[in-house]
Amino acid sequence: DAGITQSPRHKVTETGTPVTLRCHQTENHRYMYWYRQDPGHGLRLIHYSYGVKDTDKGEVSDGYSVSRSKTEDFLLTLESATSSQTSVYFCAISQEAMAFFGQGTRLTVV
Amino acid sequence: GESVGLHLPTLSVQEGDNSIINCAYSNSASDYFIWYKQESGKGPQFIIDIRSNMDKRQGQRVTVLLNKTVKHLSLQIAATQPGDSAVYFCAEKSGAQKLVFGQGTRLTINP
Repeated sequence: DAGITQSPRHKVTETGTPVTLRCHQTENHRYMYWYRQDPGHGLRLIHYSYGVKDTDKGEVSDGYSVSRSKTEDFLLTLESATSSQTSVYFCAISQEAMAFFGQGTRLTVV
Repeated sequence: GESVGLHLPTLSVQEGDNSIINCAYSNSASDYFIWYKQESGKGPQFIIDIRSNMDKRQGQRVTVLLNKTVKHLSLQIAATQPGDSAVYFCAEKSGAQKLVFGQGTRLTINP
């Protein structure tokens, strides 16, 4: 899948705990994205990165932070998980128009 | 603000027929418009894209049409096959490299 690995693939966590999802690429692509996918909402952009240490907010960034200290890694952190953050999270990478997606991480907050 | 929307949430077609999936967008500054296919349990997969200065682009069994006058995008799939069953998303990409998706259309193929 275009050299993208998301970890973990599944996680159950308790409300109020911090959670970090990892996206790792081997393609050396400049742009990386984090999306969440919920029924009835399609894919919504949380944060994206256009280079090392260069990140910006998407449409649903509240409650999430990101970091990109290396080209290959883009981390998504939920500082204090809430039930509304139960979702499937996808990471994507791109150079131009074509974006490649990871397999997703299913996160359940109980 | 940016928004990409789809006219129909579901579409059923007979195997062998052509499928047309439509999408409306609102951001005239987008550089690219892209179609993705998502099968159950998988991440979206790139199908085809079109630059904003083009009207039509063809791929293997797929054609994307862009009508900038009415801000409309369509994906045509020729001779639809069972393997085409999936959710199809349109997306737009601006110079800021934000990739924004629409809601998705579920395509079902009837034998």
